Amino acid sequence: DGGITQSPKYLFRKEGQNVTLSCEQNLNHDAMYWYRQDPGQGLRLIYYSQIVNDFQKGDIAEGYSVSREKKESFPLTVTSAQKNPTAFYLCASKTTLSGANVLTFGAGSRLTVL
Amino acid sequence: AQKVTQAQTEISVVEKEDVTLDCVYETRDTTYYLFWYKQPPSGELVFLIRRNSFDEQNEISGRYSWNFQKSTSSFNFTITASQVVDSAVYFCALSEAPYNTDKLIFGTGTRLQVFP
Repeated sequence: DGGITQSPKYLFRKEGQNVTLSCEQNLNHDAMYWYRQDPGQGLRLIYYSQIVNDFQKGDIAEGYSVSREKKESFPLTVTSAQKNPTAFYLCASKTTLSGANVLTFGAGSRLTVL
Repeated sequence: AQKVTQAQTEISVVEKEDVTLDCVYETRDTTYYLFWYKQPPSGELVFLIRRNSFDEQNEISGRYSWNFQKSTSSFNFTITASQVVDSAVYFCALSEAPYNTDKLIFGTGTRLQVFP
């Protein structure tokens, strides 16, 4: 079955540690996205990549980094510079239906900083 | 600036009741797309519907229906005869035409609880 796989589902980290969240898709989609979800704030865009070896900052990129070395993979690193990293992180890829973006999401990774 | 407002933070209904989730948007563009996504307790967002700004026809899909009104900048979502499985957080989102931007602007979501 095609889809987006995020791992790990739950992650705990100590303050000052970097952590990398995995996102893999087998949908052959070019564009991929990372969103952050906080209670009561909806989803906010962190980074996105429209093609391999290229990515752009979203609205809240500070304290995060990404890479896009393969079409299937778009890992997100939450660095120690991110002041409030506890959140639910969602990865998505984009398909286009009649000219409009439709995002397909993974099941998310919940990061808790202890 | 683009903005999506979902004023209802949480709604509780009893099974078989009808429920409407409100969505109001702001954009200066004449070409845009509106979306609804469902987020069940599992966490994954599920795409429900996409509407472009030139098509104001209401749409019905089973127990779901959507009312798009450009005059009031609203794109409301109604669930008829709600069921427990409808319990989820529902997000409304806005996107400009693909040539202009490559991201969705989400509302803050409405949590729907359907009790048996």
